[in-house]
Amino acid sequence: DVKVTQSSRYLVKRTGEKVFLECVQDMDHENMFWYRQDPGLGLRLIYFSYDVKMKEKGDIPEGYSVSREKKERFSLILESASTNQTSMYLCASSVGTDGEQYFGPGTRLTVT
Amino acid sequence: DQQVKQNSPSLSVQEGRISILNCDYTNSMFDYFLWYKKYPAEGPTFLISISSIKDKNEDGRFTVFLNKSAKHLSLHIVPSQPGDSAVYFCAASEGFGGAQKLVFGQGTRLTINP
Repeated sequence: DVKVTQSSRYLVKRTGEKVFLECVQDMDHENMFWYRQDPGLGLRLIYFSYDVKMKEKGDIPEGYSVSREKKERFSLILESASTNQTSMYLCASSVGTDGEQYFGPGTRLTVT
Repeated sequence: DQQVKQNSPSLSVQEGRISILNCDYTNSMFDYFLWYKKYPAEGPTFLISISSIKDKNEDGRFTVFLNKSAKHLSLHIVPSQPGDSAVYFCAASEGFGGAQKLVFGQGTRLTINP
């Protein structure tokens, strides 16, 4: 069974703080993804990585950066958190050619 | 611009009847279409997919239909069960640098009434 874990289920941060969200997968998947989920907007892709040290912007990368130093770990960084970054953050990994992705449980981030 | 759209935010169905969830897309270059199910406080889980070269795929109670000329897909659940109550997302995949990116719809909340 593929397992994708995220470092926190719930996080509360203050405006301007630097925030790190960590994701680890245990199935040696090449590809990893970060999404945010907001009501009425579905899941939107922030960044993804198809190899170690490789990263590509998704649809909404502004205000975020990522790091992938090891194959199993993909970190999302909010350089200076703002209230409009309050959201559910979901990490996923994949290896297949059909796009099937395996998701972690999510981190609900609140920025006050 | 929303490339994948689910126009019904919610759907309510009687237990035992058929649930039909719909999804429209605009990009004819998508390779695969997938459905995910999401319970509150959990990540989405994969349900079923279909290749762009097929028009139907079936897995137990779940069937996905693809109409390429209309750029429309639908998920049929028969018979519907209370445990099917969840938010359903349709997604379309496109290749990028060795990965398959997914573009998601807004989701449809399905409620199965006993």
